[in-house]
Amino acid sequence: GQNIDQPTEMTATEGAIVQINCTYQTSGFNGLFWYQQHAGEAPTFLSYNVLDGLEEKGRFSSFLSRSKGYSYLLLKELQMKDSASYLCAVSSTGGSYIPTFGRGTSLIVHP
Amino acid sequence: EAQVTQNPRYLITVTGKKLTVTCSQNMNHEYMSWYRQDPGLGLRQIYYSMNVEVTDKGDVPEGYKVSRKEKRNFPLILESPSPNQTSLYFCASSLRGPIPYEQYFGPGTRLTVT
Repeated sequence: GQNIDQPTEMTATEGAIVQINCTYQTSGFNGLFWYQQHAGEAPTFLSYNVLDGLEEKGRFSSFLSRSKGYSYLLLKELQMKDSASYLCAVSSTGGSYIPTFGRGTSLIVHP
Repeated sequence: EAQVTQNPRYLITVTGKKLTVTCSQNMNHEYMSWYRQDPGLGLRQIYYSMNVEVTDKGDVPEGYKVSRKEKRNFPLILESPSPNQTSLYFCASSLRGPIPYEQYFGPGTRLTVT
């Protein structure tokens, strides 16, 4: 099976930078996803990492270290609308490839 | 517009009364999944389907059934709902390939079983 761990809740200030960590244990790693989910809404795709390193996409970046079973999502220039849950999801080669989700990190951005 | 639709969006029902939540996608995706989301537990996969007539259990399949008779539709059936199935349900779809693709989620169905 898979074990995915991320902090339950984080708070940050508007305009700041925040890093949300995700650690995982899995056999046959096949990629890691980050999704954003606003309260009461559907998750939406943010990023996908399968190779080690940093993927940058505007204010959001995602990093992966396969040897450490570790990823982080970096959010820069935080805005109030970034208040949401951030879900880490890991795909493995056994089974369907459909990722397993962590419990999510609730990010609260305050003025 | 590419989308995943679910119906109904909200449902209040009583214990034991069979219900079906429909899910449809217009992106010709092979993979479809059902999740339930509960506070503190995150998204947990109920069932998934890799193509027409191919379905398999996820992490929490007890009390649920699914079918995949057409590529676009993947209904979730609760034969005899119980209060512990009160939850927020999401359907999702994605392409199938040599690498995993991003999932597209429906808007969610909030189910209350009394």
